[in-house]
Amino acid sequence: AQRVTQPEKLLSVFKGAPVELKCNYSYSGSPELFWYVQYSRQRLQLLLRHISRESIKGFTADLNKGETSFHLKKPFAQEEDSAMYYCALSRTGYSTLTFGKGTMLLVSP
Amino acid sequence: EADIYQTPRYLVIGTGKKITLECSQTMGHDKMYWYQQDPGMELHLIHYSYGVNSTEKGDLSSESTVSRIRTEHFPLTLESARPSHTSQYLCASSDPGGLGNTIYFGEGSWLTVV
Repeated sequence: AQRVTQPEKLLSVFKGAPVELKCNYSYSGSPELFWYVQYSRQRLQLLLRHISRESIKGFTADLNKGETSFHLKKPFAQEEDSAMYYCALSRTGYSTLTFGKGTMLLVSP
Repeated sequence: EADIYQTPRYLVIGTGKKITLECSQTMGHDKMYWYQQDPGMELHLIHYSYGVNSTEKGDLSSESTVSRIRTEHFPLTLESARPSHTSQYLCASSDPGGLGNTIYFGEGSWLTVV
């Protein structure tokens, strides 16, 4: 069965510092990987997905199949980035998602 | 406005009661999902549907049931609620767009069984 691991429950950084939220997965096929974000008092929403290779709100994530990782990075954190971040995996040919436990990012001024 | 709606947002009920969590989407999506999330834990898929009259159980076993009689409506029912059912229930739908599956979530229904 597939699994998504986010090793950090909480990541606390200062404004302007680089951020890396870790995500590792286990799946024998070719997965689709996603990052979802939940800001305070808002619903869970898609941040980015590996297949589109995009940068959203300054965040990027690269799929490393050798290390089975999909870490989320941003060079300079902003206070408005404070939120709960979930890494998720979709199996080949399926639309359902398997989520990690999430990492709370706290950016202090 | 195209969106996904869940009601009620918060519900406190007694053990043994029957409850239905409503979910409707106006985005025209065929695929809909129910996830369950306990505080501080990951989301677990409990039910999904790929279209009208199609329902499947998810990765996490659940005593709840679902129905899909209309494309836009995907209600979840607990026949006899128990304290172990206390959790947040998230409804979602997806659009199989060109760059892969994007899932849109509702605001969630917080259920407390006392």
